[in-house]
Amino acid sequence: SQQGEEDPQALSIQEGENATMNCSYKTSINNLQWYRQNSGRGLVHLILIRSNEREKHSGRLRVTLDTSKKSSSLLITASRAADTASYFCATDEPGGYALNFGKGTSLLVTP
Amino acid sequence: DAGVIQSPRHEVTEMGQEVTLRCKPISGHNSLFWYRQTMMRGLELLIYFNNNVPIDDSGMPEDRFSAKMPNASFSTLKIQPSEPRDSAVYFCASFFGNRGGYTFGSGTRLTVV
Repeated sequence: SQQGEEDPQALSIQEGENATMNCSYKTSINNLQWYRQNSGRGLVHLILIRSNEREKHSGRLRVTLDTSKKSSSLLITASRAADTASYFCATDEPGGYALNFGKGTSLLVTP
Repeated sequence: DAGVIQSPRHEVTEMGQEVTLRCKPISGHNSLFWYRQTMMRGLELLIYFNNNVPIDDSGMPEDRFSAKMPNASFSTLKIQPSEPRDSAVYFCASFFGNRGGYTFGSGTRLTVV
């Protein structure tokens, strides 16, 4: 079942700009993860944030989590053309292992 | 590590034929997942295994779908008989424990004509 819902569905920016994607979910979670999918490829894990964390950084990525609003955001700073991909949030429920994915945000970064 | 290996990468088959998709998870990972991705429905969890045992197969759409994991290094997803609406990209993913992210394979693009 799908739980996460990303917003916007599509985003187009220029190189050097920041990209922000949002994710909302419906039920309690254990953790929330973000994945990237390049066209025709599998998903690649980017970052995981636990339900008791509010913010996490990894390189040019910054993820926030607001469990009271059941939402998360992914910020990619100083974007590059190579960041062009679809980005998915995924959640797992307490006691569960399986991840539920949203439908993703399609990011286009133009030179 | 070569990552999660799926085969074949592409499969085109006629309606009614049996299709078998294969997956080799990362050595040491004790959980394995099969997902299906379509434009309309996004990523859907079909089934997952923990320590080779099927834990949740509620996502398997019909009895035409079956999955096995005979050992820790191999899993199959079988569709018999296949139908055009089964056309999708099927992904296998594995991970260890309950920390960190999944590692996905490159997927099998299935087209049923």
